Amino acid sequence: GQSLEQPSEVTAVEGAIVQINCTYQTSGFYGLSWYQQHDGGAPTFLSYNALDGLEETGRFSSFLSRSDSYGYLLLQELQMKDSASYFCAVNAGNMLTFGGGTRLMVKP
Amino acid sequence: DGGITQSPKYLFRKEGQNVTLSCEQNLNHDAMYWYRQDPGQGLRLIYYSQIVNDFQKGDIAEGYSVSREKKESFPLTVTSAQKNPTAFYLCASQKGAYPSYEQYFGPGTRLTVT
Repeated sequence: GQSLEQPSEVTAVEGAIVQINCTYQTSGFYGLSWYQQHDGGAPTFLSYNALDGLEETGRFSSFLSRSDSYGYLLLQELQMKDSASYFCAVNAGNMLTFGGGTRLMVKP
Repeated sequence: DGGITQSPKYLFRKEGQNVTLSCEQNLNHDAMYWYRQDPGQGLRLIYYSQIVNDFQKGDIAEGYSVSREKKESFPLTVTSAQKNPTAFYLCASQKGAYPSYEQYFGPGTRLTVT
C-alpha cells in the first residue's frame, strides 16, 4: 500500500517563500503530483515530478528525490489567494493516492 | 467549454435511503474516478474506471456502487450499507488511463445523511 506524510498546517506572510514537504512510502512509484484546493472547491493540478530534481512553473516549483522518498512544493512571492490546502499524491500506475493535505494560511 | 459536471451541489437524504450522485464529462477522457473527502482530510479513492463497462474498487468501496455504461458518465450510488455517508464527493477524469498523475475534478457534491 501507500502512505504519505505532510504537515497539517503552514503559515506565512504575503511576499514570502514557503516549502511544503511530503514523504511517502509506496509499493510502486511512478511520480509525485501536487494539487491545490481552496475551501469548498475542487482540487486543481499544479505539478508532477517523475524524475529527481526541480520542476518550475511560474511562482510554484516542485522537487523530488526518489532515493529519499521525499518531495516538496515551493511557493514563492506568496499572495493572499495562495491560501488553500495543498495535497501531494503518489502515482502508482493507474491511480493516485493522496496525502492528508497541508493547509496554507497567508497573512498580510 | 469542456469540463466535468456534478449534480447536485448539495444533497440531503434520510438514513437508510440509497442515493445516486451524477458525474458527467465532455473532455473525451478515458478514465474516471470517485473520491470521498471528509472535513480536514485528504481524498480517498472509492472506485475508478479506465474504460466503458469496466471499473475497479478503490480503497473504500464498501457501501458504494458505480456503473460506466457511457464514456461520458460515471454515476456513484451511495447505498444504505455505507455506515458514514455524510461527506464531500468528488469526481475526476483523466485523458489516458495510465499513468495517472493529472486529473481534472468536478465541483463536488456535498452529501448530508441524517
